[in-house]
Amino acid sequence: DTGVSQDPRHKITKRGQNVTFRCDPISEHNRLYWYRQTLGQGPEFLTYFQNEAQLEKSRLLSDRFSAERPKGSFSTLEIQRTEQGDSAMYLCASSLGISRNEQFFGPGTRLTVL
Amino acid sequence: AQKVTQAQTEISVVEKEDVTLDCVYETRDTTYYLFWYKQPPSGELVFLIRRNSFDEQNEISGRYSWNFQKSTSSFNFTITASQVVDSAVYFCAPSNDYKLSFGAGTTVTVRA
Repeated sequence: DTGVSQDPRHKITKRGQNVTFRCDPISEHNRLYWYRQTLGQGPEFLTYFQNEAQLEKSRLLSDRFSAERPKGSFSTLEIQRTEQGDSAMYLCASSLGISRNEQFFGPGTRLTVL
Repeated sequence: AQKVTQAQTEISVVEKEDVTLDCVYETRDTTYYLFWYKQPPSGELVFLIRRNSFDEQNEISGRYSWNFQKSTSSFNFTITASQVVDSAVYFCAPSNDYKLSFGAGTTVTVRA
């Protein structure tokens, strides 16, 4: 399978714990994006990378959130001191880096904070 | 400010009927791309069709077609001869170069 993959698919954690998600983009794609989707809503943009550089972060991305893309390949999204409001589906997407190109999405990581 | 509106919350049709989904994108930008994505019950977003803002010619891709009305910033997306497998949430998502701004989505249910 050469699509976008995400790990884990599901994560249940207790409030206050740290969690880390991984995304492996399509190999030739230089752009990588993170979105968050809550129940009944469309995905909301969190951040994106062009190669290894993080170029934009949404105001939704509080100080507890950090994302990395070392060497411009896979990316990780870490949430520190999780809160119940962080419960959502976290989606990763990748694309070739011009605006006309569609973003390909992974299956998502569903986070539940108890 | 930019605003994307999918006014239809839910649409239910019988198989083989056509389904038209509305999307209005209000922006001052004159050049942009708009994408339609499908999210079936399995959850994974699937790209369907892309449209730019500067070409008013309608487009068809298989059973999917576009109708763009520049004067009203309205992008209508039609599924011809719907099938049960078309049941999903459909999102309209304009792009500003890097960020997709998704609408609230329209849930389509196709009954056999």
